Amino acid sequence: NAGVTQTPKFQVLKTGQSMTLQCAQDMNHEYMSWYRQDPGMGLRLIHYSVGAGITDQGEVPNGYNVSRSTTEDFPLRLLSAAPSQTSVYFCASSTGQGARGETQYFGPGTRLLVL
Amino acid sequence: TQLLEQSPQFLSIQEGENLTVYCNSSSVFSSLQWYRQEPGEGPVLLVTVVTGGEVKKLKRLTFQFGDARKDSSLHITAAQPGDTGLYLCAGPYFGNEKLTFGTGTRLTIIP
Repeated sequence: NAGVTQTPKFQVLKTGQSMTLQCAQDMNHEYMSWYRQDPGMGLRLIHYSVGAGITDQGEVPNGYNVSRSTTEDFPLRLLSAAPSQTSVYFCASSTGQGARGETQYFGPGTRLLVL
Repeated sequence: TQLLEQSPQFLSIQEGENLTVYCNSSSVFSSLQWYRQEPGEGPVLLVTVVTGGEVKKLKRLTFQFGDARKDSSLHITAAQPGDTGLYLCAGPYFGNEKLTFGTGTRLTIIP
């Protein structure tokens, strides 16, 4: 059971470049989310999805797009990378958003450096 | 944005010592979770507490939810090097569907 997988593990981009961070889960979870982790700031929610075809913005959505065409996959797109998007990105899946204490299962993360 | 503060931000202690880390907010949580994150990995759930005043034990780790459901603590007895990691609390504020994560406590246990 692979759980939540993310690719790539590391990426270096130049300012203005675009890229897609991949996320897949094999637990048939309806809820998936993207977080960014910066020192001293915990995890901040970027975008989330409550099921295929449904996405919504989180706390810090600017500069990022998402789509959810299948239950398994939830890619995150950086439209025009900026140095402020240098961070570690985590994808998570769950049976729910967390309002009832649902466990969030996290992937191993993608470390992104924007020069 | 509601803040979920954790203290201390960094803690480095000798193996065998006891420690407590805290998670505080001015707002009420519906429930609260503690996660541990090891270097290069994603966070992993340790425990979920739901009821005000609830205490849960996981081997040498004791988790307590405040009576008013605005704060929580994690106490580790006889810390071991394997306890090293980033400890994150997270909870949905009452009336909010989504999780808010705390700022984290980075714990280092020195052998």
